Amino acid sequence: EVQLVESGGGLVQPGGSLRLSCAASGFTISSHYMTWVRQAPGTGLEWVSVIYSGGSTYHADSVKGRFIISRDNSKNTLYLQLSSLRAEDTAVYYCARGYTGSSSLYFDYWGQGTLVTVSS
Amino acid sequence: QSALTQPRSVSGSPGQSVTISCTGTSSDVGDYNYVSWYQQHPGKAPNLMIHDVNKRPSGVPDRFSGSKSGNTASLTISGLQAEDEADYYCCSYAGSPWVFGGGTKLTVL
Repeated sequence: EVQLVESGGGLVQPGGSLRLSCAASGFTISSHYMTWVRQAPGTGLEWVSVIYSGGSTYHADSVKGRFIISRDNSKNTLYLQLSSLRAEDTAVYYCARGYTGSSSLYFDYWGQGTLVTVSS
Repeated sequence: QSALTQPRSVSGSPGQSVTISCTGTSSDVGDYNYVSWYQQHPGKAPNLMIHDVNKRPSGVPDRFSGSKSGNTASLTISGLQAEDEADYYCCSYAGSPWVFGGGTKLTVL
């Protein structure tokens, strides 16, 4: 059974840093592209970052230079390093698995999310 | 990376049909057949309902269907049921990045 479990969220001051983790089970993350999506309170989903099976990464303009997506294949875990945090980064952060198939691109499994609150 | 445009809310009575539109640009919805739709109930994670414009994952009722014309994708829910009341988000591949719609709240009257 595919499972994604996020952790690492919490309260952090503006300008601070945090590392989110997404522990995967039931599949091998290095065989899939993996993504982070966030949702600020009362608002919609916002795509944040993606890491492809080959290792290439992309980030949304809103977080470029401040967030870094990575993975540890030995731990089958996805990470998101958040730095220079701002109030507007307050959100629930979800990790999701990208479906790997011919002529298909979508996120088929999602974790339950971890809340990051940026406040002094 | 502007968000895709969705109506903020739609509503319908049980048994009726509703359609939610999702308008993008020639760089995302119009350029790729990689539009997906996600249902989200309050406090829950998003759940995949449609992928690659019009394909339904196993377990999703055939009351849910998707389509696309030009820069606009649509999700149609027929035979509305009370449990369909939720937020719906479209998402399009845009050449890495990806982009989501602002979300549509579906109310079943």
